[in-house]
Amino acid sequence: QSALTQPASVSGSPGQSITISCTGTASDFGTYNYVSWYQQYPGKAPKLMIYDVNKRPSGVSNRFSGSKSGNTASLTISGLQAEDEADYYCSSCTTSITWVFGGGTKLTVL
Amino acid sequence: QITLKESGPSLVKPTQTLTLTCTFSGFSLSSTGVGVGWFRQSPGKALEWLALIYWDDRKRYSPSLKSRLTITKDTSKKQAVLTMTNMDPVDTATYYCAHRPGDGGYSYGSYDCWGQGTLVTVSS
Repeated sequence: QSALTQPASVSGSPGQSITISCTGTASDFGTYNYVSWYQQYPGKAPKLMIYDVNKRPSGVSNRFSGSKSGNTASLTISGLQAEDEADYYCSSCTTSITWVFGGGTKLTVL
Repeated sequence: QITLKESGPSLVKPTQTLTLTCTFSGFSLSSTGVGVGWFRQSPGKALEWLALIYWDDRKRYSPSLKSRLTITKDTSKKQAVLTMTNMDPVDTATYYCAHRPGDGGYSYGSYDCWGQGTLVTVSS
């Protein structure tokens, strides 16, 4: 059982927006708001999409955004595209300076 | 350009010790703040963080696996090594290493570059 809770699946049509939630405890999210989101295609390595709750690495589309309220972080993908169909994982650095992941969310673009 | 690649046995027997090597390029594990982390993903399951070694040789381990894990580094060889003792079939997974940025990088809390992963099967 993963430390962070994500919905197992979400879906949306091209052009729509979807949001994936990631719920944990205060200790899961630690003191520094080190929440990250990773995209993973089948058989491939994870790719960092969002770090520090709401920052995008260079090269990541601005259609991807992150936020956090209380003990729930969220990833929003706007203007859905077929290429966004993948698994998405949230991750956080805990107060114990360990890292935890969510169970992953499978995004289907209808 | 940062690259990482995992290497090690693809098959180990139960109770054996697994040793995986992460060979990297494009950064130094002696640069302030930099780290290399290890992760695994069982077939069809979620990612799991295992361990992190910092540039100054400090180490962090998953609480649930701490007794079985050892992470070390060889800065000159540009390698980070993870050993896991007493392997069990439930440890069958793809194991990844990843770069944790240091000073001036994206974030101390994320892993921005990942290796391709190596599948380790535990079976007699």
